This record gives sequence, structure tokens and C-alpha cells, in this order.
Amino acid sequence: EAGVVQSPRYKIIEKKQPVAFWCNPISGHNTLYWYRQNLGQGPELLIRYENEEAVDDSQLPKDRFSAERLKGVDSTLKIQPAELGDSAVYLCASSPWDNEQFFGPGTRLTVL
Amino acid sequence: AQSVTQPDIHITVSEGASLELRCNYSYGATPYLFWYVQSPGQGLQLLLKYFSGDTLVQGIKGFEAEFKRSQSSFNLRKPSVHWSDAAEYFCAVDRFGGGSQGNLIFGKGTKLSVKP
Repeated sequence: EAGVVQSPRYKIIEKKQPVAFWCNPISGHNTLYWYRQNLGQGPELLIRYENEEAVDDSQLPKDRFSAERLKGVDSTLKIQPAELGDSAVYLCASSPWDNEQFFGPGTRLTVL
Repeated sequence: AQSVTQPDIHITVSEGASLELRCNYSYGATPYLFWYVQSPGQGLQLLLKYFSGDTLVQGIKGFEAEFKRSQSSFNLRKPSVHWSDAAEYFCAVDRFGGGSQGNLIFGKGTKLSVKP
């Protein structure tokens, strides 16, 4: 069984530039999560989807971050414009409903 | 508000030695607790979880954890560490209870190094 796929694995951009991350969850998993993991910290939830509906986006900085999950399968997280403080690892996870989460390898973002 | 504290940032143990990683939580009701492991360049993997019942829970890869309500702790243990156990370990608590695994608060993690 294929795991959660994320791309790109690494991204380096200059501040004020836009960036997008893509996630393909495990087949059949209706719940999808985006986390941000800062250096030396644990993951922090940004947004959680049940199918195509964002059911928890309370910690998503909506002034510059956006996410979508069209058709309830893969998802894209976007930052526009990026700031220096956005440098982090962005993790995607999926689960069959409200059950064990399976994490992807993450995208490491560096903002210069 | 719920929180998780992992007091040790970095621990080094010798291969074959026993291991205990500490986790303390702050939660008003019965917490739902988890331990995850993150290997370099990899996503997090669930080791074990506690919802209720027996306070000693067994997980994958030979790990176990004990829930102690009186100490607000959920420490992770392994009797004999292997070099492949070198990784970062995260304790987490469910934000809303009820067995949900979709609203997790993670600790800052403990990095485990294993000496040959």
C-alpha cells in the first residue's frame, strides 16, 4: 500500500514569493491534515479536511495561507507571500475518518 | 488548556541499554495519549496510544508506555535499545478527548541517539 505522498520534498524561495505544496493521501482516507513543524518543535495542525470540507482551520494564518482539497482526494497548501518565519517542514497526514493518522515525509521549506 | 511537556531535548543511550522517555501532560479530564516516532527525513509513525483501561500499553517495535494519572505522566520505555531506534520521539494528547485522533497537541520532542 502506497503511503502519503508529498511534493516537493525541498523548496527554497525568496521572501515575498509564493509557494505551493501538494499532498496525495492514502487511497480511501477521507480525512486529510496539514501540519507545520518548526525546527525543534512538534507538529502543529494548520487545517483538517473531512472529504472536501475544511472542518478545522482555526490555526491557519488566513492572511497568507490557503488550502484546498478539490474532489476530496489530493490537497494543495499555498503560502503567498512567504515570510522568513515560514521556514519549516510542512507535513501532510491522512486517516480513515477520525482514526490513526499516517504521515507523509514532509516538505522542507526554506525562505531566504 | 491542554499541553504536553517532554523535559528531555536529547538523550543518548548505549545499544542494548534500557530507555525511558518522559512525557507530562496537562489535561482536565481523562486524556487520550500517544507516542510517535520520526526518523530523519521521514514522517511520524504511531508507536502506541492510551485511551482507557490497562495503564500499561504495548506498542510496535518493542515499546511500551505507562499512564500514571497521579503524576500526569505517560513515559515511553524499551528494555533494550537497538541502533535503529535512533530518531525523534513525540508525545501527544488529544485536544478534545473522546478518543479522537484528529486534534492532537504534540510535545517538542526528544531526540534519541544510540551509542554502539
